[in-house]
Amino acid sequence: TQLLEQSPQFLSIQEGENLTVYCNSSSVFSSLQWYRQEPGEGPVLLVTVVTGGEVKKLKRLTFQFGDARKDSSLHITAAQPGDTGLYLCAGAVQGGAQKLVFGQGTRLTINP
Amino acid sequence: AAGVIQSPRHLIKEKRETATLKCYPIPRHDTVYWYQQGPGQDPQFLISFYEKMQSDKGSIPDRFSAQQFSDYHSELNMSSLELGDSALYFCASSPPGTAGNTEAFFGQGTRLTVV
Repeated sequence: TQLLEQSPQFLSIQEGENLTVYCNSSSVFSSLQWYRQEPGEGPVLLVTVVTGGEVKKLKRLTFQFGDARKDSSLHITAAQPGDTGLYLCAGAVQGGAQKLVFGQGTRLTINP
Repeated sequence: AAGVIQSPRHLIKEKRETATLKCYPIPRHDTVYWYQQGPGQDPQFLISFYEKMQSDKGSIPDRFSAQQFSDYHSELNMSSLELGDSALYFCASSPPGTAGNTEAFFGQGTRLTVV
């Protein structure tokens, strides 16, 4: 069973601070996606990382895939209230049928 | 750009009733997934279809069934509904691509309430 452990599960910080969310597993994933979800809405894809060690930047968001493709991190610089939301990582199972395994999510609150 | 369309957006059913949720994937996407998300929980994989054939099965109860049709839309059929089935049900679709690079795009979900 592939499990993704996401941490922290809850994070509340002040506007302007930096933060990092972690996604760890003992399993290797062929790719890993980060999603953001608003209440009552579907997850929206932010980024996909595929290559071990890959780093992708999306404005103030930096995503990194671990060298062994077992872990990933999301770093937000100078957080803003608009960044508030639920962030989910999801790993694609390597080989076999296509399936995404989700982490538990990080509920992020940025206080003005 | 076209997104994944789910219908209905909201559904209220009584216990022991039957519900059918529909999903229309993004055009030319060949894989459809169904997920269930309970309050405060992460999405749990139910079932997926690749090219109209079931490709994987997760924690889907025997009371549920799903299929993908020739036009690639999918339906999730839920029978003998229980209070615990109340949740958000998401459909997602993926485009054809390199095996293992699964990039899924989600619909807005169907909120099912069983009373």
